Amino acid sequence: DAGVIQSPRHEVTEMGQEVTLRCKPISGHDYLFWYRQTMMRGLELLIYFNNNVPIDDSGMPEDRFSAKMPNASFSTLKIQPSEPRDSAVYFCASRASGRYNEQFFGPGTRLTVL
Amino acid sequence: AQSVSQHNHHVILSEAASLELGCNYSYGGTVNLFWYVQYPGQHLQLLLKYFSGDPLVKGIKGFEAEFIKSKFSFNLRKPSVQWSDTAEYFCAVNARQAGTALIFGKGTTLSVSS
Repeated sequence: DAGVIQSPRHEVTEMGQEVTLRCKPISGHDYLFWYRQTMMRGLELLIYFNNNVPIDDSGMPEDRFSAKMPNASFSTLKIQPSEPRDSAVYFCASRASGRYNEQFFGPGTRLTVL
Repeated sequence: AQSVSQHNHHVILSEAASLELGCNYSYGGTVNLFWYVQYPGQHLQLLLKYFSGDPLVKGIKGFEAEFIKSKFSFNLRKPSVQWSDTAEYFCAVNARQAGTALIFGKGTTLSVSS
């Protein structure tokens, strides 16, 4: 398996622009997680899905952030409009169901908002 | 709410020195425990995990961790570090029930000099 795939790997944009990050989970995994990593706050869970349904979005910072999972093999995290404080590395992870399975992480998207 | 504390923000060691990174969590129920490693510029990879059974778990690259339930701790150890162990290490916990997400500690940066 190719593992969790994220695109783009790097994104540089200007404040006010819309940014869309993409994730393809490992085939057969029915949990998908979006995390944000910054120096100040470490790794924060933004939202996670189970069987394409959002389960907990309490970590989404504000209405500018939205996430979708239209099918089992694709998810997006959108920021509109973007702000410089959104600059971070965004990781996607997936996990198979069951109590004893670990999460597998993608390579991350490094977002820089100027 | 669950939380994870990693006591050391930055650890600097010489090659062949022994390593112990502290991790404590707060959660009253049964948990799964993990250590992830993030090498410079790379994504998070699982080092080891504890679900049940022997509280001393062995992971990849000579790492091990001991779960001490009474202390709510899951410290990571390695008897002799190498320069290639330079990385950031994250402790994580999730409640052992289906559908819960990982809570990460802030991470510990390990720098090993040759």
